[in-house]
Amino acid sequence: AQSVSQHNHHVILSEAASLELGCNYSYGGTVNLFWYVQYPGQHLQLLLKYFSGDPLVKGIKGFEAEFIKSKFSFNLRKPSVQWSDTAEYFCAVNAENAGNMLTFGGGTRLMVKP
Amino acid sequence: GAGVSQSPSNKVTEKGKDVELRCDPISGHTALYWYRQSLGQGLEFLIYFQGNSAPDKSGLPSDRFSAERTGGSVSTLTIQRTQQEDSAVYLCASTRTGLRVDSPLHFGNGTRLTVT
Repeated sequence: AQSVSQHNHHVILSEAASLELGCNYSYGGTVNLFWYVQYPGQHLQLLLKYFSGDPLVKGIKGFEAEFIKSKFSFNLRKPSVQWSDTAEYFCAVNAENAGNMLTFGGGTRLMVKP
Repeated sequence: GAGVSQSPSNKVTEKGKDVELRCDPISGHTALYWYRQSLGQGLEFLIYFQGNSAPDKSGLPSDRFSAERTGGSVSTLTIQRTQQEDSAVYLCASTRTGLRVDSPLHFGNGTRLTVT
C-alpha cells in the first residue's frame, strides 16, 4: 500500500529564509506526486504536481519540488518565503496500482514570521 | 456552483446520534473523494466514488460509516451512533475524470463535526 511521510510537522521561518519541506513515499513503482496547500480559513488547493518528464516541477507562488526516484522523495522548496506563505502543506501520492486513490501525508504547518 | 459545496459547514451532535454530511461536487466531475482531517492527523482517506460506484471502501473507519452517491453527483457520508473520536473536519473533493495531469482535485471547505 502507498504511504506518505512528512517528517517536519511544524516549521517556523523568518521572511526571506529559504524553505525545504520533506516528503517521502513508500511505493516502489510509478507514482504521481502532489503538493497541496491550505491557507488559514481556506480550502485545500493544488500547489504543484508531478506526473512525468522533468523531475523538477514548478508550481504557483514561486514553489518548486524535485522528484528523486532513488530516494522516494518529492521535497518542496521555495528560495525566499513570505509571511503570506504561512499555511499547512500536504504532500500526496497516487501509485500506479492504486487507481484513483490519493494518499496524503500528515502535513507540515509553516509559520513565517514577518 | 463554481466549486465543491459541502453542508452543513458545522455540525455539533451528541454522542450516539446519527449524522449525515452532504457533498455537491463540481458539475460534470465523475470522481468524488471523502477525507477526514483530524487535529494533528493530516488527511485520512475514507472513500472515493467513480460515478456512483465506490471501487475502494477500505478507508472507512468502521461499519458505523457509510457513503453513497446518486446520479453521479451528490454524495452523502453517514455516521451512525457517533463517538467522540469521530470529531474532525470531513472534506470532500472532486475531479473531472480521476487523477490525471489535466484533472486536478478540487476540495470543498469541509464540514466540521463535533461530537459532545
